[in-house]
Amino acid sequence: EDKVVQSPLSLVVHEGDTVTLNCSYEVTNFRSLLWYKQEKKAPTFLFMLTSSGIEKKSGRLSSILDKKELFSILNITATQTGDSAVYLCAVLNNAGNMLTFGGGTRLMVKP
Amino acid sequence: DAGVIQSPRHEVTEMGQEVTLRCKPISGHNSLFWYRQTMMRGLELLIYFNNNVPIDDSGMPEDRFSAKMPNASFSTLKIQPSEPRDSAVYFCASTLQQGNEQFFGPGTRLTVL
Repeated sequence: EDKVVQSPLSLVVHEGDTVTLNCSYEVTNFRSLLWYKQEKKAPTFLFMLTSSGIEKKSGRLSSILDKKELFSILNITATQTGDSAVYLCAVLNNAGNMLTFGGGTRLMVKP
Repeated sequence: DAGVIQSPRHEVTEMGQEVTLRCKPISGHNSLFWYRQTMMRGLELLIYFNNNVPIDDSGMPEDRFSAKMPNASFSTLKIQPSEPRDSAVYFCASTLQQGNEQFFGPGTRLTVL
């Protein structure tokens, strides 16, 4: 059975801190790994990672994939209160039609 | 672009009643997914359609759940009869083609009393 595990489960930091969220996976047919941010409503797409070692960056957020060790990290620098959310990691299968989600990391950024 | 549209946004019903959740995918997207999210189990895929055809419904909990996609712009998820343990947020998502990121609707929060 495909499995995606995220850590930590939750995290409380202060504005300006840097955080690293972890995602490890065990899947039989891996195609891509995706990161989503979920506030009070629907998950919104952040990154899709397909190749190992290539960092994707969007503003203060960046992510990288290690296909040998089967994990990904999501970094957020200079955190702001608006970064408070649940961050979800998901793995897309080879056929490109099945997303398996991790349990999420709940990040709270205090002023 | 209106994004994925779901209705209703909230539904409160009594055990035993039929519940129908609705989804309109983003225009032009040819794959549609129904997910359920609970605190205990996180986000789980229930069923997905490709070009209006159900491809994999192995995530559907039991026979009380059914889903249809009569055309490219509309899908329903029905629970009959509903039970308290069905209480969750149900998300619909669509994607332009398989392998691309999925765009999620706002969800329907279902409470079964």
